[in-house]
Amino acid sequence: SQQGEEDPQALSIQEGENATMNCSYKTSINNLQWYRQNSGRGLVHLILIRSNEREKHSGRLRVTLDTSKKSSSLLITASRAADTASYFCATALVNTGNQFYFGTGTSLTVIP
Amino acid sequence: EAGVTQFPSHSVIEKGQTVTLRCDPISGHDNLYWYRRVMGKEIKFLLHFVKESKQDESGMPNNRFLAERTGGTYSTLKVQPAELEDSGVYFCASSQEFSGSPLHFGNGTRLTVT
Repeated sequence: SQQGEEDPQALSIQEGENATMNCSYKTSINNLQWYRQNSGRGLVHLILIRSNEREKHSGRLRVTLDTSKKSSSLLITASRAADTASYFCATALVNTGNQFYFGTGTSLTVIP
Repeated sequence: EAGVTQFPSHSVIEKGQTVTLRCDPISGHDNLYWYRRVMGKEIKFLLHFVKESKQDESGMPNNRFLAERTGGTYSTLKVQPAELEDSGVYFCASSQEFSGSPLHFGNGTRLTVT
């Protein structure tokens, strides 16, 4: 069964606007990671947040984690056309070693 | 460093045929994963190697799928015989040993079974 689920499935914004994507998961995690996939390419790691962290920043990316709600959000500020891609969250479950589960992804389109 | 490479990038085969996908992980990465994405659906875990050992193969759909990682280096994923529902993009990823190490993905193999 699906562990991570991103919301919305698709998002279209104008360049310069902020984009927010959400991820919900079902069971306890060690950490949660966000990945980006450009069409026809592999996934690229963006940022990792551990279960004892609530917020992390990396450049224009901001990730929050609410373990009580089993949810995370990815905020991309001042979006650019090059940010157009699919974004996935991956959860590393407790007691599963280095095991990661992905969702269906959010397809982001940034219109120049 | 060289990234994760997958071969072939595309494969079109007929139902009942056999296909073997190959993945070369980043050198020194003990963890190797196979994932599959069927169009529009989630990226589904297939299996996880630590060196040459199968750590978890709970995601393998059925016994038509066979994964190997001889010598703990490259890995192959064989589908025999292929069925229509096996179509999708097969991703390989590798990571270092420590917890929280990010996954490094290959560009995937797009498999089409007709």
